[in-house]
Amino acid sequence: IAGITQAPTSQILAAGRRMTLRCTQDMRHNAMYWYRQDLGLGLRLIHYSNTAGTTGKGEVPDGYSVSRANTDDFPLTLASAVPSQTSVYFCASSDVGQPNYGYTFGSGTRLTVV
Amino acid sequence: GENVEQHPSTLSVQEGDSAVIKCTYSDSASNYFPWYKQELGKRPQLIIDIRSNVGEKKDQRIAVTLNKTAKHFSLHITETQPEDSAVYFCAASKSSLTVIFGTGTLLAVQP
Repeated sequence: IAGITQAPTSQILAAGRRMTLRCTQDMRHNAMYWYRQDLGLGLRLIHYSNTAGTTGKGEVPDGYSVSRANTDDFPLTLASAVPSQTSVYFCASSDVGQPNYGYTFGSGTRLTVV
Repeated sequence: GENVEQHPSTLSVQEGDSAVIKCTYSDSASNYFPWYKQELGKRPQLIIDIRSNVGEKKDQRIAVTLNKTAKHFSLHITETQPEDSAVYFCAASKSSLTVIFGTGTLLAVQP
C-alpha cells in the first residue's frame, strides 16, 4: 500500500441497503476526511477525524456515519442508502501540525444508488 | 461556517495565454488556502498553497495571491499548456482542521 487506498472502486447499490466504503492510509497521518463530489457542487465534507478515537461532522453528514478505531482506517457507512447519495466519494488524509497541511486523496469510490 | 465561492465555473484559453481563477471566503479566521488540480477521472492533487502570513507564492508557471482584507485569493497560470486542462479547486481552512472547497473551475487549454 502506498498512500491512501479506497475500496470498492465502484458499486451499484439498491436503495435501503447498508454499505461501508473503506479507506486505509499508510502514511501515519493523524487526520482523515470523507468528501463527496457532485457535478457543479465541488467537494463537500461529510465527516472528518483529527486523530484516532475522535470524529466530527462536516457540511453534509446526514445519512452517513464514520469511525476511527485506529490511525490507518476510516470507514464511511451508509446505514440505508438513498438515490441522492449517488456520488463519487473521496477519502483524504493530512498530517495536521506539519508545515505542509495538504491533503492526500484516495482514488475515489463511484457509488450509484438505484 | 466557512463558505468558499469560486469563479469562473468554466474557462477556455489559448495555449500560451494566462489563466486566472478567483475565490472568496467568508471566515476571516481561515489561514490556509490550498489549490487542487483534478484531471478527468483522477483524484484531486495539491498544486500550491498559501498561508495567511504571505501575500503571494510562486512555483514555476503557477502563482497564488491572497488579499486578507478583501478575503479573496487567486490562482494564476502563465504560459498555459494543454496538460494544464483540468478542474481546479480552491479551498480555505482554519489550521487545516477541515478544508472547505470551492465548486471548481473547468479549465480548457486550446492548442
